Amino acid sequence: SQTIHQWPATLVQPVGSPLSLECTVEGTSNPNLYWYRQAAGRGLQLLFYSVGIGQISSEVPQNLSASRPQDRQFILSSKKLLLSDSGFYLCAWARQGDFTEAFFGQGTRLTVV
Amino acid sequence: GQQVMQIPQYQHVQEGEDFTTYCNSSTTLSNIQWYKQRPGGHPVFLIQLVKSGEVKKQKRLTFQFGEAKKNSSLHITATQTTDVGTYFCAGGDNFGNEKLTFGTGTRLTIIP
Repeated sequence: SQTIHQWPATLVQPVGSPLSLECTVEGTSNPNLYWYRQAAGRGLQLLFYSVGIGQISSEVPQNLSASRPQDRQFILSSKKLLLSDSGFYLCAWARQGDFTEAFFGQGTRLTVV
Repeated sequence: GQQVMQIPQYQHVQEGEDFTTYCNSSTTLSNIQWYKQRPGGHPVFLIQLVKSGEVKKQKRLTFQFGEAKKNSSLHITATQTTDVGTYFCAGGDNFGNEKLTFGTGTRLTIIP
């Protein structure tokens, strides 16, 4: 069966510090991968998605970047965090081409102080 | 870019009352999906609709996909406390880019 791992679960970082959130998927190959951000009490904002290794589509200009160094690994990064980067970050995967269902990780709650 | 809006943003209902959330996309969707996110949790898939005018039911939940494939609704009959959470619609666009855009969500609270 497929599983998705996302870590850490919570993170408190000072303004100006770097960020690296990792997401890995097991039990499937060539998945679509997604990073979403959810501000407190708000909807899911699509940040990045990827259809293959090294292929990243950015949805919103921002202080963040994403990379996909391996087929089932998706990394969200920042060189210098801003207060506005605080939020709940969710990684998700879906099978390519059929949009049947997206599977989410447990999420990372990031607080920038 | 594609925008997917949901109304209402919040809904408080007495236990046993019905609840409906509406989803509207700025562009035609290839499909619509619905998710439920419990407080503190992550979104969990409920259902997918693909065909124009499609209606699907899951126990007390009824899902509809509009004829123009730009809107959808989720109706819950006789709400229970276990229905508490935020309901999101999500749609794939017709441009073949594998993008999955979520709606703004409707947060449902139940008054016992």
